[in-house]
Amino acid sequence: EIVLTQSPATLSLSPGERATLSCRASQSVSSYLAWYQQKPGQAPRLLIYDASNRATGIPARFSGSGSGTDFTLTISSLEPEDFAVYYCQQRGNWPRTFGQGTRVDIK
Amino acid sequence: QLQLQESGPGLVKPSETLSLTCTVSGGSISSSTYYWGWIRQPPGKGLEWIGSIYYSGTANYNPSLESRVTISVDTSKNQFSLKLNSVTAADTALYYCARLIHYGYFDYWGQGALVTVSS
Repeated sequence: EIVLTQSPATLSLSPGERATLSCRASQSVSSYLAWYQQKPGQAPRLLIYDASNRATGIPARFSGSGSGTDFTLTISSLEPEDFAVYYCQQRGNWPRTFGQGTRVDIK
Repeated sequence: QLQLQESGPGLVKPSETLSLTCTVSGGSISSSTYYWGWIRQPPGKGLEWIGSIYYSGTANYNPSLESRVTISVDTSKNQFSLKLNSVTAADTALYYCARLIHYGYFDYWGQGALVTVSS
């Protein structure tokens, strides 16, 4: 099973700041990695798939990069609605696995 | 607009079987483009993929649950279902159904169904 390790566990930032979230895989997943955003009481929302492709309707301030074992989600300028928990997920191998999440909260 | 809705008992006794159904509206479960899946999230914790199914009935399961889980599809009702047997308190979670794109990413989700395992 591929283990995805996200860092940091919590990121405290102010609106307007840049957020950089990391996801590291225990073995290569090629570019088969997605990012999700989850707000309290809501289902996760797909943001990025195949490492760098924005899902339908996702604002351009969200971008993803990386391949192999190291991936990054960048939010260029945090909006108030971006404070949430973010998960990475791989489809490069079975079983599909998720990272443990990074919480982005307001500083 | 595609919508998914989970339904089923919110309370299951230990050692019994958890059963949930996901009803898909606004689109066909028989589309050759998509798989359909179940994910769960224990309270305050992260996400775990349970398994996925194609409209033909081909299913894949998480090895950690494979001995206890069955996912089935009913194309006539536009539904797919989850059965998890021999449940324990560790199976208490919010259970989501979702559509998969590109064989492995979840792009549409249900609102989730909280299932508590308790006597």
